[in-house]
Amino acid sequence: QVHLVQSGAAVKEPGSSVKVSCKASGDTFHNYAFNWVRQAPGQGLEWMGGITPMFGTPDYSEEFQDRVTITADESTSTAYMELSRLKSEDTAVYYCARDFSGSYAFEFWGQGTVVTISS
Amino acid sequence: EIVMTQSPATLSVSPGERVTLSCRASQSISSNLAWYQQKPGQAPRLLIYGASTRASRNPGRFSGSGSGIEFTLTIDNLQAEDFAVYYCHQYILRPYTFGQGTKLEI
Repeated sequence: QVHLVQSGAAVKEPGSSVKVSCKASGDTFHNYAFNWVRQAPGQGLEWMGGITPMFGTPDYSEEFQDRVTITADESTSTAYMELSRLKSEDTAVYYCARDFSGSYAFEFWGQGTVVTISS
Repeated sequence: EIVMTQSPATLSVSPGERVTLSCRASQSISSNLAWYQQKPGQAPRLLIYGASTRASRNPGRFSGSGSGIEFTLTIDNLQAEDFAVYYCHQYILRPYTFGQGTKLEI
């Protein structure tokens, strides 16, 4: 059974960076796409970007292109999302989500990581 | 980017009813559409992918249809646990995009 376990909540100051991890277990890590989706308080879902470890090259939403870095460490089956130059509007729950065989839809989700930007 | 528009934003329904939620894409996405259910404080849960294929943990009362630009999610015999927010999601083209959600309330 696939499990995605994310790192804990973080409180960051404006202008700083945050790095969220997503450790996968229960299946091969190599061939699936790990995506990052965020949800601001009371708002909808927003795709930030993703990476398939097998290919290595991440893909980013234009909205976050210059501030986000998504990586994957195959040795620990962990995907990472780092967001820099944080603003108050980045306060949100950040989810990692993985696709599955036969579809690029997101079948498996992490529990979410609450990131709060506050001075 | 492909814009996904859901309607209505909120739907007031009663247990036992049948309800249909709509999702429209700004351009054709073939059948590359998923539906998710999200309850407060929880991660979204995949219900439907490929526009009409039930996910493995989807109760049979959830069904999807459509292709191209118009899609629907139908829920038969609404149960108390179905009151949640539902999102559609296109995954044919990056950036992947979601609809703004439809909230089902009692």
